[in-house]
Amino acid sequence: DAKTTQPTSMDCAEGRAANLPCNHSTISGNEYVYWYRQIHSQGPQYIIHGLKNNETNEMASLIITEDRKSSTLILPHATLRDTAVYYCIVRVGKARNAGNNRKLIWGLGTSLAVNP
Amino acid sequence: NAGVTQTPKFRVLKTGQSMTLLCAQDMNHEYMYWYRQDPGMGLRLIHYSVGEGTTAKGEVPDGYNVSRLKKQNFLLGLESAAPSQTSVYFCASSYSRSGGPERDTQYFGPGTRLTVL
Repeated sequence: DAKTTQPTSMDCAEGRAANLPCNHSTISGNEYVYWYRQIHSQGPQYIIHGLKNNETNEMASLIITEDRKSSTLILPHATLRDTAVYYCIVRVGKARNAGNNRKLIWGLGTSLAVNP
Repeated sequence: NAGVTQTPKFRVLKTGQSMTLLCAQDMNHEYMYWYRQDPGMGLRLIHYSVGEGTTAKGEVPDGYNVSRLKKQNFLLGLESAAPSQTSVYFCASSYSRSGGPERDTQYFGPGTRLTVL
């Protein structure tokens, strides 16, 4: 499975957009990009995922480059409650095969601080 | 729905003691997982299960055993605790056969903080 590279930390002003980058230059054609976040002392929380196309849900938007070697998670209007560690993960295929989740590589993520 | 719950939330053990961590999910998920998280390291998979009565080893299985006698429960056991097992333990579940837009995502519990002295 492809590994990912994320900045160690980022700052964002409250109310502004937070753009979190992720490099996954060795991603394969059948690997999805997943984003999770972990608020201090809590379990990780799913945010969004995508394969090729840009995706948007109520929490965030995911922009994947055309060559799929990098992506950006966008929190359109960051709030103080968005302060967390954000993980970018690539994973083969669908989770119908639990072995795919077995291969997940959870790095250290990006620590996002949203400031008032 | 309560989602994924874990008990206990905190526990302090002495070296050599045993304990069991309980994970329960009410989402009818097929798959369940146990992770540990240590400072300066990402989540590491200990064991996982693809269904009732089945378990498999993850990345760091040594020193742990698991059981999944019921679909909704996944137990993690430490037979003889060691200080190296001091960590935060997270349980997760995923995949519902009934489908839905988030069927492939993992849902995590709140964690158990374990200290082994």
